[in-house]
Amino acid sequence: GQNIDQPTEMTATEGAIVQINCTYQTSGFNGLFWYQQHAGEAPTFLSYNVLDGLEEKGRFSSFLSRSKGYSYLLLKELQMKDSASYLCAVRDSNNAGNMLTFGGGTRLMVKP
Amino acid sequence: EAQVTQNPRYLITVTGKKLTVTCSQNMNHEYMSWYRQDPGLGLRQIYYSMNVEVTDKGDVPEGYKVSRKEKRNFPLILESPSPNQTSLYFCASSPLGTGDYGYTFGSGTRLTVV
Repeated sequence: GQNIDQPTEMTATEGAIVQINCTYQTSGFNGLFWYQQHAGEAPTFLSYNVLDGLEEKGRFSSFLSRSKGYSYLLLKELQMKDSASYLCAVRDSNNAGNMLTFGGGTRLMVKP
Repeated sequence: EAQVTQNPRYLITVTGKKLTVTCSQNMNHEYMSWYRQDPGLGLRQIYYSMNVEVTDKGDVPEGYKVSRKEKRNFPLILESPSPNQTSLYFCASSPLGTGDYGYTFGSGTRLTVV
């Protein structure tokens, strides 16, 4: 199985940059996903990493280091609407099908 | 529009009264799954299905049933709901295999059992 750890809560200021970390342990790593989830709503896909390095998508970037079992999601120019939970999820080739295992999520609060 | 449709969005029911939460996807995905989400516990998988007539237990299957008679539908059945099944439920679907696609989630069903 996988252990996926991410901080429970973070607070940041509007306009700033925040980095949300995720560490994982898996025997057959086959991709890491970040999802955004506003309270009471469905998670929505943000990013995907399978090779080491940085993937940039507008204000959001995601980094992966497979040797360290580590990823981070970087949010720039924070806006109030970025207040949400951010879920790290790992796909393991030893899992049946395409199963993702989710971390507990990081609740980000953006303050004015 | 490609989507996963769950119904109902909100449901209040009484202990022991059987209920079904429906889930349907229009993307021809092989893989479908049910999760429940509780404060402090994150998303926990209940059941999943890799194709028609192929279902298997996730991490928290007790008290739930599923069926997959058609590729597009994956209903979640609570035969005798109890208050500890009060939760936010999500259905998700995905193609099988690897690639840069994750899950597509339904809008969620907030269930309260009194």
